[in-house]
Amino acid sequence: DTGVSQNPRHKITKRGQNVTFRCDPISEHNRLYWYRQTLGQGPEFLTYFQNEAQLEKSRLLSDRFSAERPKGSFSTLEIQRTEQGDSAMYLCASSLASQGEQFFGPGTRLTVL
Amino acid sequence: GQNIDQPTEMTATEGAIVQINCTYQTSGFNGLFWYQQHAGEAPTFLSYNVLDGLEEKGRFSSFLSRSKGYSYLLLKELQMKDSASYLCAVRSDSNYQLIWGAGTKLIIKP
Repeated sequence: DTGVSQNPRHKITKRGQNVTFRCDPISEHNRLYWYRQTLGQGPEFLTYFQNEAQLEKSRLLSDRFSAERPKGSFSTLEIQRTEQGDSAMYLCASSLASQGEQFFGPGTRLTVL
Repeated sequence: GQNIDQPTEMTATEGAIVQINCTYQTSGFNGLFWYQQHAGEAPTFLSYNVLDGLEEKGRFSSFLSRSKGYSYLLLKELQMKDSASYLCAVRSDSNYQLIWGAGTKLIIKP
């Protein structure tokens, strides 16, 4: 399967714990995006990378959130001191270039108890 | 501000045609995308319009009018598997980011 993959698919955690999600984009894609989606809403942009450089972060991304793409391939999104409001689907997408369509991974569903 | 509006929910009958509208007000424009999203799954790309007019792809067509800030997605010969949310997204011409609508939940009845 050469699509975008994400792990884990589901994560249940207690409030205050840290969680980390991983995204493996389509191999030749240089752009990687992170989104958050809640029920009945469209995806909300969190951040994106061009190769290993993080070019933009949304104001939604508090200092508890951090993302990396160290070698320009896979990316991780870490949430520290999780809160119940962090419960959502976290989607990763990749594209070949800025003009290319974005291909989405299956998402990681986070539940914070 | 930036705003994308779509109807929240629509219902249609199997075998019929349905048109899902999207209006947008954004500070810049570099194309409009339609994605399909089944419940609990990731969005999948359906169509892309950057010039005015109709783009046809099998049972699905998408139309764009840039002067009116308006697009629609037309689905023909509806099948039960078309029951999903349909998301409209506009790409900014400054940073190429996608600005998403909340999606239209389409319910297909036999």
